[in-house]
Amino acid sequence: NAGVTQTPKFQVLKTGQSMTLQCAQDMNHEYMSWYRQDPGMGLRLIHYSVGAGITDQGEVPNGYNVSRSTTEDFPLRLLSAAPSQTSVYFCASSPPHSGSGGYEQYFGPGTRLTVT
Amino acid sequence: SQKIEQNSEALNIQEGKTATLTCNYTNYSPAYLQWYRQDPGRGPVFLLLIRENEKEKRKERLKVTFDTTLKQSLFHITASQPADSATYLCALGGNTPLVFGKGTRLSVIA
Repeated sequence: NAGVTQTPKFQVLKTGQSMTLQCAQDMNHEYMSWYRQDPGMGLRLIHYSVGAGITDQGEVPNGYNVSRSTTEDFPLRLLSAAPSQTSVYFCASSPPHSGSGGYEQYFGPGTRLTVT
Repeated sequence: SQKIEQNSEALNIQEGKTATLTCNYTNYSPAYLQWYRQDPGRGPVFLLLIRENEKEKRKERLKVTFDTTLKQSLFHITASQPADSATYLCALGGNTPLVFGKGTRLSVIA
């Protein structure tokens, strides 16, 4: 199993450009999520999905869109990049995640995004 | 709103000693708590999970305690080694998505 894969590894965008960060997992996990990690701020949840066709907002969703058409893929779209979106982005997946279930999350290697 | 505090940004200890990291939380009643390790330039890696009805969990040189009255978890690494140097994150979960602390950067000095 490849686990959770993310592409690209690095990306530089100009303000106003759009792009999609790709995330895929081959573990048949229902739950997938996107985080951003900034110095001094820790990991913050952007969007998450509990299964194909179902997405919800996390703590910092503004400026980002997601969709979940398959179990395997969970792309994150930046609609109009801003310098405040310069960050490291992590995708994660886990088995069904609710109540006292508490399954471990598997993280991808991250995408380092710079917006100039 | 939920708040998670990890005791310090950085912790330096001597090789062979026990490292103790703290995770405190407020305005939350988690069903479970998780600890992750993160190395520079990499994604977090899961280490341990402890549920609200468990007091202690062990895995090799790692031990986690969970006190829901104090709203605190302690993470211990015994006989620490330079290879244990990393950032350690705690995360709380339940009926809402996982919420992460900012992490503690541990340096084990030989």
